[in-house]
Amino acid sequence: AQTVTQSQPEMSVQEAETVTLSCTYDTSENNYYLFWYKQPPSRQMILVIRQEAYKQQNATENRFSVNFQKAAKSFSLKISDSQLGDTAMYFCAFREVNTNAGKSTFGDGTTLTVKP
Amino acid sequence: SQTIHQWPATLVQPVGSPLSLECTVEGTSNPNLYWYRQAAGRGLQLLFYSVGIGQISSEVPQNLSASRPQDRQFILSSKKLLLSDSGFYLCAWDGGANVLTFGAGSRLTVL
Repeated sequence: AQTVTQSQPEMSVQEAETVTLSCTYDTSENNYYLFWYKQPPSRQMILVIRQEAYKQQNATENRFSVNFQKAAKSFSLKISDSQLGDTAMYFCAFREVNTNAGKSTFGDGTTLTVKP
Repeated sequence: SQTIHQWPATLVQPVGSPLSLECTVEGTSNPNLYWYRQAAGRGLQLLFYSVGIGQISSEVPQNLSASRPQDRQFILSSKKLLLSDSGFYLCAWDGGANVLTFGAGSRLTVL
């Protein structure tokens, strides 16, 4: 079974600065997807960024980028120019590819607070 | 456009009472549907998933059950709630590009 570990339960960053959230995972699969989801205080879960394991290039989405290290099974999220609206719980997730159900496994989350 | 609806948003129930949480998806057909539970300050635990009408797979043995009576309807139920059933329940569907799209969630408190 796949596992996802987020070793930082809580983090904080000053507005406009950069912060990196860590995630490691364990799998025997060669092809899979990795995600970062954001859950703000409203509890509405939304996608931040997506990475396909077969792609070596790191995904970027505006101020959000990832550092995907497949051999190390590491998938960190970097948030640049942090904004107050980035305050949320961030979840790293792993998704199988070669199954009909496409189940996703989530880490326990990192609570990020952006300070003014 | 594709949307997902989940209700009720908040529920307070006594121990031993029944439960029904409902989720519907619009704008798509034959979606993969999922029920997750989120304990306080924790990650998401997959409870059930469904790849089609009447097809339910359970991930965790528990006091809950799920049903899919229609293509875009997914229901989470319990005949008798336990204190440990309290939590935040999220319905999700496979929204394309292997990304999960979530409902707004249902907060269940069992007293």
